[in-house]
Amino acid sequence: AQSVTQPDIHITVSEGASLELRCNYSYGATPYLFWYVQSPGQGLQLLLKYFSGDTLVQGIKGFEAEFKRSQSSFNLRKPSVHWSDAAEYFCAVGAPGLGQLTFGSGTQLTVLP
Amino acid sequence: DSGVTQTPKHLITATGQRVTLRCSPRSGDLSVYWYQQSLDQGLQFLIQYYNGEERAKGNILERFSAQQFPDLHSELNLSSLELGDSALYFCASSVAGHPNSPLHFGNGTRLTVT
Repeated sequence: AQSVTQPDIHITVSEGASLELRCNYSYGATPYLFWYVQSPGQGLQLLLKYFSGDTLVQGIKGFEAEFKRSQSSFNLRKPSVHWSDAAEYFCAVGAPGLGQLTFGSGTQLTVLP
Repeated sequence: DSGVTQTPKHLITATGQRVTLRCSPRSGDLSVYWYQQSLDQGLQFLIQYYNGEERAKGNILERFSAQQFPDLHSELNLSSLELGDSALYFCASSVAGHPNSPLHFGNGTRLTVT
């Protein structure tokens, strides 16, 4: 079965600084990879996804993620964080033949003014 | 707005009771998923339906059941409630129900069992 690890429970960055959120997955082949964001009181919103092809994918709100097969990673990045980016971020993995996604435990992002 | 509607937003009930959570998927989406989010367990997949049929089952307790109706809305029934069932319950929908179909989440129903 596939699994997802987000090693950082909480990250604090200053507004304008760069951001990288880590995600490692476990699956025998190339899975489908996703990043979702959850703002307080809201459901999860899809930021970006990777299925195949170019390993650097662009998403909404200026986010990007890079798939690295050798490291089983799919880290989320943003060059300059805005205060509105403060939220919880979830990495998720899906596998062919399975309908549901498996989510990581989430990383809470705090943005300092 | 994801287009997925969940009702009610909040629910407070006592142990031993039964509740029903409702979800209307995004227009055009055939598949509905239920997830439970709690502080200690994170986001746990409960069950998936596709066009009225159960497609996949996750960590769903026997006290819980769900169904998807012909109009594609879904209900999650939780019975014999325990304190540990207090959580945020999310419904999500997707077009095709395949793992490469992005999920669209509702805002959740927060269940508090006292």
